[in-house]
Amino acid sequence: SQQGEEDPQALSIQEGENATMNCSYKTSINNLQWYRQNSGRGLVHLILIRSNEREKHSGRLRVTLDTSKKSSSLLITASRAADTASYFCATDAYNTDKLIFGTGTRLQVFP
Amino acid sequence: GAGVSQTPSNKVTEKGKYVELRCDPISGHTALYWYRQSLGQGPEFLIYFQGTGAADDSGLPNDRFFAVRPEGSVSTLKIQRTERGDSAVYLCASSYPPGELFFGEGSRLTVL
Repeated sequence: SQQGEEDPQALSIQEGENATMNCSYKTSINNLQWYRQNSGRGLVHLILIRSNEREKHSGRLRVTLDTSKKSSSLLITASRAADTASYFCATDAYNTDKLIFGTGTRLQVFP
Repeated sequence: GAGVSQTPSNKVTEKGKYVELRCDPISGHTALYWYRQSLGQGPEFLIYFQGTGAADDSGLPNDRFFAVRPEGSVSTLKIQRTERGDSAVYLCASSYPPGELFFGEGSRLTVL
């Protein structure tokens, strides 16, 4: 089963634009993570935000977390063609280390 | 090695055969995860090891699937009597301590 659900399922933008992806989850969590996956490759960790944090930045990435709404968003600013990939949120249910992934957003950035 | 290594990268087998997929985690990582990913879907949790023991195997779909990690390092995912529906990419990840996961490139299994 999948704990998280991302929307939109697919997103197409031009280089230089910002991309926003949203993730909703079902149960209380310790932390939420975002991963990126290039086609045919393994997943790469982008950023982790703890349940007591509301916002976190890493380079062009900005993640927000709203535990009351059980949702998170990932913003990629000034997107590049190289950002083209699938993006997944992942959560660990409270008191477990099991990490459950969402359904993903497929981002296409056109040069 | 520097990263998580999975072998084979590709495996084609016939329905009903037995398959083993191997994962060599990052040295020192105590936690090891197996996921299965079908085309266009997110990774589906199968099993998670902390050290040698399976801390959570609730994602294994049925008793044809089994995984071991006898020395707390390398893990093997074993699939008996394979079915066409088992075709997917099997991903392994490791971490220390549990938190950020480091993934291998996956083993693509095709059951004919």
